[in-house]
Amino acid sequence: EAGVTQFPSHSVIEKGQTVTLRCDPISGHDNLYWYRRVMGKEIKFLLHFVKESKQDESGMPNNRFLAERTGGTYSTLKVQPAELEDSGVYFCASSRYRDGETQYFGPGTRLLVL
Amino acid sequence: KQEVTQIPAALSVPEGENLVLNCSFTDSAIYNLQWFRQDPGKGLTSLLLIQSSQREQTSGRLNASLDKSSGRSTLYIAASQPGDSATYLCAVRGYGQNFVFGPGTRLSVLP
Repeated sequence: EAGVTQFPSHSVIEKGQTVTLRCDPISGHDNLYWYRRVMGKEIKFLLHFVKESKQDESGMPNNRFLAERTGGTYSTLKVQPAELEDSGVYFCASSRYRDGETQYFGPGTRLLVL
Repeated sequence: KQEVTQIPAALSVPEGENLVLNCSFTDSAIYNLQWFRQDPGKGLTSLLLIQSSQREQTSGRLNASLDKSSGRSTLYIAASQPGDSATYLCAVRGYGQNFVFGPGTRLSVLP
């Protein structure tokens, strides 16, 4: 069974540009999560999808971030326009059920905004 | 608001030692707690998941305990090996809420 995959693994962009991160969850996992770790800080929750619906987006920092999950399969996280403070590692995780089950994490996308 | 701390921030031990990593949380009304390890440049690997009704979970040389009343969890690693070197993260989930992560403990096991 393939794990959670994320693309790209690294991205370097200039302030003001747009970047789109992609996450492919484990097949059959309805729950998909986005997290972020900025330099020197803890991993923070961003949002949670159940299939194609946003269940909880309380962790999204501002309206420059837009997440989608078309058809309840893969998800994208777009940052537009990117700011310096958006630099960090963006993780995606998935699980079959929301509660009481392990979340499986992808390798992360390392974003550097210059 | 749930806050999670981990002590120590970093730990260096010789190979073969048994060790304990600590995780503390401020709100004892948790649903479950999960321990992860993260290798440099890699994602998180789940180690153990403890439900709120459980006191401990074991997997191989790893044992995690949970004491909700005191807001603490410990991860015990027996007979440590250089391959155990990584950052260990504790994450706590409340009812109907999402994971809150601790800052991690960076472990180095010296051969």
